[in-house]
Amino acid sequence: AQSVTQLGSHVSVSEGALVLLRCNYSSSVPPYLFWYVQYPNQGLQLLLKYTSAATLVKGINGFEAEFKKSETSFHLTKPSAHMRDAAEYFCAVTTPGTGNQFYFGTGTSLTVIP
Amino acid sequence: EPEVTQTPSHQVTQMGQEVILRCVPISNHLYFYWYRQILGQKVEFLVSFYNNEISEKSEIFDDQFSVERPDGSNFTLKIRSTKLEDSAMYFCASSGRTGVGTDTQYFGPGTRLTVL
Repeated sequence: AQSVTQLGSHVSVSEGALVLLRCNYSSSVPPYLFWYVQYPNQGLQLLLKYTSAATLVKGINGFEAEFKKSETSFHLTKPSAHMRDAAEYFCAVTTPGTGNQFYFGTGTSLTVIP
Repeated sequence: EPEVTQTPSHQVTQMGQEVILRCVPISNHLYFYWYRQILGQKVEFLVSFYNNEISEKSEIFDDQFSVERPDGSNFTLKIRSTKLEDSAMYFCASSGRTGVGTDTQYFGPGTRLTVL
């Protein structure tokens, strides 16, 4: 079975500071990993995805994530936070043979302090 | 840019009533999904749908739930007799293809269902 744990349901950073949102996964087979962002009153928007190619994945809006098999992690980072980054962030895992269903974490709410 | 839309944005119903949540997936997508998120909990998979039939469903998706693609554009989730614990945000998603888990699912904004 697959699962995802997001440590920290709420993260606050100052504008211009590093953003680090943590995601650890559990999977018995090589996983595919995704980060989605949800702005208020909007749907889940794909930020980036890892699909067994390069372990450092770059996404939209300056975000990137690194797949670390040894740590079973896929943490999301951004060097410099903007006010517009304030949103809910979800990590998800899927693997072949599951009908492509996604397993999500509980989400991390990011607040950016001016 | 194409997007998944959902109606209504918020639905309030009485326990025991039937509700239908509607979704319009991206037009050339072939795979459709429903997920739900109870407040403060994980986003959970309910069901996936392809070629006019359910391809996968979770334990949550019991006999009270059904899905349908009544025409070429809509994808609906029906809850036959709502319970208090059905209160959640329901997300619809669609993707172009599946098989190896790499295909991106595009999500709608969700319908918040409140059961009183």
